Amino acid sequence: DIQMTQSPSSLSASVGDRVTITCRASQALDYHLAWFQQKPGQAPKSLIYSASILESGVPSRFSGSASGTDFTLTVSSLQPEDSATYYCQQYKSYPLTFGGGTKVEIK
Amino acid sequence: EVQLLESGGGLVQPGGSLRLSCAASGFTFSSYVMTWVRQAPGKGLEWVSTIGGSGDATNYADSVKGRFTISRDNSKNTLYLEMSSLRAEDTAVYYCAKPERCQDWGQGTQVTVSS
Repeated sequence: DIQMTQSPSSLSASVGDRVTITCRASQALDYHLAWFQQKPGQAPKSLIYSASILESGVPSRFSGSASGTDFTLTVSSLQPEDSATYYCQQYKSYPLTFGGGTKVEIK
Repeated sequence: EVQLLESGGGLVQPGGSLRLSCAASGFTFSSYVMTWVRQAPGKGLEWVSTIGGSGDATNYADSVKGRFTISRDNSKNTLYLEMSSLRAEDTAVYYCAKPERCQDWGQGTQVTVSS
């Protein structure tokens, strides 16, 4: 099984800050990596797929990158509405697996 | 517009059974892999099961294998999750999503296993 190690588990940042969340896969994913945003009481929302492709309608301050088995979600300028929990997911092979989540709070 | 609408959740006793449904619209249902993901209270996302577009290929998490069955009726644009031998640890919000990378999600249905 592919393990997804996500860090940090939580962070607090100010509006306008650059925020980075990382997921490390236990084996190669060939870019089969997605990022999701989930706000309390809501279903998750897809932000990025194939490690770096932005879903339609997602603000351009969100971006994704990959380096080997390390994957990064970056928010270039944090906004109040970005307060949420973020998850990565590998869809390279079954069982599909999610990272443990990163809760982002606004200072 | 893609719409996924889950139903069938509720309160069930340990050892009981429940069938979840996910009504799909806004896309060619039979062309897509479909997935069930669950989220226990205060916890993260957990993949449960995925089924191929024609219904022939299925995959399950070890935690539900042998107890849950995923299926689909392409004539009704509906995805199902038949759950049996339910345990307290199956308590969660269950989401259907399309496809395996979960681009689109339903709003979820609550399943509570308790006596």
